[in-house]
Amino acid sequence: NAGVMQNPRHLVRRRGQEARLRCSPMKGHSHVYWYRQLPEEGLKFMVYLQKENIIDESGMPKERFSAEFPKEGPSILRIQQVVRGDSAAYFCASSPPGGTGSYEQYFGPGTRLTVT
Amino acid sequence: GQNIDQPTEMTATEGAIVQINCTYQTSGFNGLFWYQQHAGEAPTFLSYNVLDGLEEKGRFSSFLSRSKGYSYLLLKELQMKDSASYLCAAEKGAAGNKLTFGGGTRVLVKP
Repeated sequence: NAGVMQNPRHLVRRRGQEARLRCSPMKGHSHVYWYRQLPEEGLKFMVYLQKENIIDESGMPKERFSAEFPKEGPSILRIQQVVRGDSAAYFCASSPPGGTGSYEQYFGPGTRLTVT
Repeated sequence: GQNIDQPTEMTATEGAIVQINCTYQTSGFNGLFWYQQHAGEAPTFLSYNVLDGLEEKGRFSSFLSRSKGYSYLLLKELQMKDSASYLCAAEKGAAGNKLTFGGGTRVLVKP
């Protein structure tokens, strides 16, 4: 009964490199959300995906950031040409397929990205 | 637009009660979540309110007033392990949609 899994837990990148963050949702969950948390701040929504579809990317920066959730495999958050301001904790959450009512989002342990 | 406000920090004594208020202005509001987050860890679910009123779950209770755009989380019989950040989050839209979080309230429980 594994929960939401994220890897790596810690990632260090130099300015200009690419960062790839992976998220495997809980078994049976088909909705994935990515959030960013800067030090001492709340979580900020980035993107909401279902399998092979981006449903809402209103929180994603327009440049350098992209996300996917392929038919097979984990969801990937990709940050190209990282800058120091990208240093943050990136949390992934998943929820079951929608129906009536709303569902709790289960959070993964996060990936702490440090850009040097 | 969406705006979630909660106090930045609160201090209370072990065994006491603390109430964390949250006000929100969210178009298309659907429900209100509370999460607990210990430093360096993932948020964990505490409660979800969609209807007006009080939901009690052990030492924790959560209240919602949709007409006032207001919620609170009540922590009773505080324990040292309750020292954490408490995040209020408004859910917008249909099931399975994004959450808008407040900045979190850091609660420090003192002996």
